[in-house]
Amino acid sequence: GAVVSQHPSWVICKSGTSVKIECRSLDFQATTMFWYRQFPKQSLMLMATSNEGSKATYEQGVEKDKFLINHASLTLSTLTVTSAHPEDSSFYICSASLHNEQFFGPGTRLTVL
Amino acid sequence: AQKITQTQPGMFVQEKEAVTLDCTYDTSDQSYGLFWYKQPSSGEMIFLIYQGSYDEQNATEGRYSLNFQKARKSANLVISASQLGDSAMYFCAMRPLGGLRGNEKLTFGTGTRLTIIP
Repeated sequence: GAVVSQHPSWVICKSGTSVKIECRSLDFQATTMFWYRQFPKQSLMLMATSNEGSKATYEQGVEKDKFLINHASLTLSTLTVTSAHPEDSSFYICSASLHNEQFFGPGTRLTVL
Repeated sequence: AQKITQTQPGMFVQEKEAVTLDCTYDTSDQSYGLFWYKQPSSGEMIFLIYQGSYDEQNATEGRYSLNFQKARKSANLVISASQLGDSAMYFCAMRPLGGLRGNEKLTFGTGTRLTIIP
């Protein structure tokens, strides 16, 4: 199957700093990527749909100025958590769409102190 | 709007037994896809099986099979001969099919935590 990578796999940062998470499709081109957030023992919550070459589409309730998404190429989408606070601590997962399937990255665990 | 319901928050099953994880869905789309994912404690989402709404045969992938009952809007996952490594969270998900950019997003259920007992 297709491979999606995420970097970093985990990050710890101080409150008020910004953190960038990268999502790459390694062996295919993805015009659409998705960013999810998952709190402990809960399901995945879609944050936004990232389309190459255009602005991301954010789900209701997700602050676009706080969670900046850039999809500059067909293999890379980035999520930047700006001015992170402890409540932003979560597991962030990206996925890339290919045909009828979505291939998920391994996730990034963000801890904000 | 789409909705996925998984009514079993947790299940305990004896090793080597078969297990059925329930999933019901609601959608107004005529064409849709149903997915099951496994999420072990490491957090990665592992794709298990896919069923298209127009597929007449139930999908099977090794020890996994999907019991698709369209009229009842259910898509239960059956795992045969369970193994200790099957212990994980299992998510049912669906998405509309149609190929239009922007309508490919998956809707997930709340998940079922499966624990295999030796």
